[in-house]
Amino acid sequence: GQNIDQPTEMTATEGAIVQINCTYQTSGFNGLFWYQQHAGEAPTFLSYNVLDGLEEKGRFSSFLSRSKGYSYLLLKELQMKDSASYLCAVTDSNYQLIWGAGTKLIIKP
Amino acid sequence: GAVVSQHPSWVICKSGTSVKIECRSLDFQATTMFWYRQFPKQSLMLMATSNEGSKATYEQGVEKDKFLINHASLTLSTLTVTSAHPEDSSFYICSARGLREVGEQFFGPGTRLTVL
Repeated sequence: GQNIDQPTEMTATEGAIVQINCTYQTSGFNGLFWYQQHAGEAPTFLSYNVLDGLEEKGRFSSFLSRSKGYSYLLLKELQMKDSASYLCAVTDSNYQLIWGAGTKLIIKP
Repeated sequence: GAVVSQHPSWVICKSGTSVKIECRSLDFQATTMFWYRQFPKQSLMLMATSNEGSKATYEQGVEKDKFLINHASLTLSTLTVTSAHPEDSSFYICSARGLREVGEQFFGPGTRLTVL
């Protein structure tokens, strides 16, 4: 079966760094997405990785290792507005997007 | 670019009535649109995938006769919840994907449906 695992909830301090991990087992792989979703709102795109390595975009970076079926989203200089759910999603061989359950990130002052 | 709109943003209706939700891609052609449902504190659940001009593909457990999807053009898909019941109350979100199959999905702002 297809499976994406990420922690249910994480807590971090304002100004700190947090890493949200995602592991996946899918039938084929055509890329991995990270989305941010604030409560009561639709998801917004953060990053896309299809090759191994680190993609940096401002305070957010995303890493992919295809051989390990592993990705992480790194958030630096955390701000209170970063409190949200972070969704990991993988495009499989049929170009279907398989979603993880999301990680709720709580930022404390 | 890549803006997706959804209308209405919220709706309250009586049990037994039907509700139509529109999803539009405003500045790109969406060959594929997706409809999701999200209950409070839960992750997105894909309901169906629709390609322009063809019948939607429904996920297991989703009643196609209850959730009617029409994707009549490359910029518009509609979801009609027929004979809505209180258990259909949820956050309905559409997303659209452009011509690239591996491209990201662009999400609409969502529609909050409350059935009394």
